Amino acid sequence: DTEVTQTPKHLVMGMTNKKSLKCEQHMGHRAMYWYKQKAKKPPELMFVYSYEKLSINESVPSRFSPECPNSSLLNLHLHALQPEDSALYLCASSQIIHGGRENYGYTFGSGTRLTVV
Amino acid sequence: DAKTTQPNSMESNEEEPVHLPCNHSTISGTDYIHWYRQLPSQGPEYVIHGLTSNVNNRMASLAIAEDRKSSTLILHRATLRDAAVYYCILRVGGDSGGSNYKLTFGKGTLLTVNP
Repeated sequence: DTEVTQTPKHLVMGMTNKKSLKCEQHMGHRAMYWYKQKAKKPPELMFVYSYEKLSINESVPSRFSPECPNSSLLNLHLHALQPEDSALYLCASSQIIHGGRENYGYTFGSGTRLTVV
Repeated sequence: DAKTTQPNSMESNEEEPVHLPCNHSTISGTDYIHWYRQLPSQGPEYVIHGLTSNVNNRMASLAIAEDRKSSTLILHRATLRDAAVYYCILRVGGDSGGSNYKLTFGKGTLLTVNP
């Protein structure tokens, strides 16, 4: 299995709703990432998990809450979002090699297209 | 973070080679050069990466300048399916344990392939 699977593919939610995005990989990758991509813009890093622990939070508002329950699964919990949070949310994973010598690419999912109404 | 500079757009004809340039004059000695592409309505796709030597794989070749301040992604025979945004990214190192490696995207090059 060489894929990152994201569900759902599309999500429409109201500003008072609570929803979750799910990301799964079975490649044994121990680093997982959330990115946000607005239309016609490059992806922007939100969170990095390594060994199931949050290692980077790029000053993301608390209405986005990541969770990594195990080494294969990454969730993004959404609460009280704003219309400007509408975007494509991308999950990615990569291997970690000790000693600072990383030489593998990242695998991205196809994303969840989120619309906040 | 070290930055990369790419042309906003390039055009190619089908079955011809394409050379996509990238400048990264502030690259540090431990930064890897990654290339990804993103087709419409899809997530980014890994293409190739390298450190100092030129690299080849089934998708493309990566030519890295001797001073590492620039690189070129080479698609040997462009097809219509290669039309995408191509991102040149410097993979910034994290702590000594190797656990925090950020991949920061720039604006990329929109490649159009003409039939």
